[in-house]
Amino acid sequence: DMKVTQMPRYLIKRMGENVLLECGQDMSHETMYWYRQDPGLGLQLIYISYDVDSNSEGDIPKGYRVSRKKREHFSLILDSAKTNQTSVYFCASSFTGGHTGQLYFGEGSKLTVL
Amino acid sequence: KTQVEQSPQSLVVRQGENCVLQCNYSVTPDNHLRWFKQDTGKGLVSLTVLVDQKDKTSNGRYSATLDKDAKHSTLHITATLLDDTATYICVVGDRGSALGRLHFGAGTQLIVIP
Repeated sequence: DMKVTQMPRYLIKRMGENVLLECGQDMSHETMYWYRQDPGLGLQLIYISYDVDSNSEGDIPKGYRVSRKKREHFSLILDSAKTNQTSVYFCASSFTGGHTGQLYFGEGSKLTVL
Repeated sequence: KTQVEQSPQSLVVRQGENCVLQCNYSVTPDNHLRWFKQDTGKGLVSLTVLVDQKDKTSNGRYSATLDKDAKHSTLHITATLLDDTATYICVVGDRGSALGRLHFGAGTQLIVIP
């Protein structure tokens, strides 16, 4: 069906709580991404995963970690969330060799940390 | 330092009018450039990808140009519809595969009024 699904879509947490954002894709894409989008800024890459257990830091990895145990699932974890991690988080996927091909985004997960 | 600059920041047009969105970048190397549409509260949807040194693409009412010598791209929307109301995001890829990085602009917010 060529879809990237993010859960949850909305989440409110208190500072210091743990956060788990989940992403799934049904296209067997090797590469998956986590970005955050803040007002007035372009999307910023947090982590990229090239396949199962093959993850690399992006531009802003501090305060985040990821897990990819199955090709179709990619999780973003915030251990002890901070107020400056309030943002909209987007997951995306693509074929590793195909950046000029299709790049699919999920609909976003809006996280508010109080 | 922002490597992808979009202008205008926001734009209001009347339904049926044409509009042009601009993207200037300093990313090097510049393998390809992609335009995305992002409806409010939604994910990014790819409109077109430009690859060649001087490239043109057309996708219905959307057409785009790329001039790599000038590091400049335009997105033209003809006969705008109310559904064109969205943020349009310019993205420059520095490689042709997921091994490269994507550089996102902050977007142009287009509002189409009746």
